[in-house]
Amino acid sequence: GESVGLHLPTLSVQEGDNSIINCAYSNSASDYFIWYKQESGKGPQFIIDIRSNMDKRQGQRVTVLLNKTVKHLSLQIAATQPGDSAVYFCAENRRSSNAGGTSYGKLTFGQGTILTVHP
Amino acid sequence: KAGVTQTPRYLIKTRGQQVTLSCSPISGHRSVSWYQQTPGQGLQFLFEYFSETQRNKGNFPGRFSGRQFSNSRSEMNVSTLELGDSALYLCASSFVTTGELFFGEGSRLTVL
Repeated sequence: GESVGLHLPTLSVQEGDNSIINCAYSNSASDYFIWYKQESGKGPQFIIDIRSNMDKRQGQRVTVLLNKTVKHLSLQIAATQPGDSAVYFCAENRRSSNAGGTSYGKLTFGQGTILTVHP
Repeated sequence: KAGVTQTPRYLIKTRGQQVTLSCSPISGHRSVSWYQQTPGQGLQFLFEYFSETQRNKGNFPGRFSGRQFSNSRSEMNVSTLELGDSALYLCASSFVTTGELFFGEGSRLTVL
């Protein structure tokens, strides 16, 4: 079936290292992908997004890579800091149009990866 | 600029009761989506509203319902609560044209 999943449930890194979090998706029709960070007791926080017409996008210390051939998405965090410790989710937005117009609100989330950064 | 506000933050109910959760979106955001988050199922889409109309609905039973008001504020209701409804219920709002969802901190429901 259609799903967005993560390869690794936990990731532990040392402060200053680079982190890579991976995500696989199964629907080739997906055209918008987002990474969220969720800290304990808080709602998901937008990190970075990428559309299917791109294969790389960079933000502040973060880079998202999209490989449509193998339906793979990754989030790279440079110089990981203790404050980066959180659960990271990839999400897929299947653009759908109905009488109300294009829908952006329906996301399919991956299971999440727990990132722990050791000082 | 105020973020997405959800009330109440925590609540405890018993089986068979019903609950109403409220969400105030970011000013100017007209789209509101609701998600259920549990340890076992992760984040699952419940429904999306735009201009007081439900545009999408997830795979949840009819006990889960929602609505949106003319000021874009939204409520969701769960009737005849079951133990499995214990979860963090998250609301998110967005500008329709950008697609970026901004989440609130959620309402944590415990059903006893």
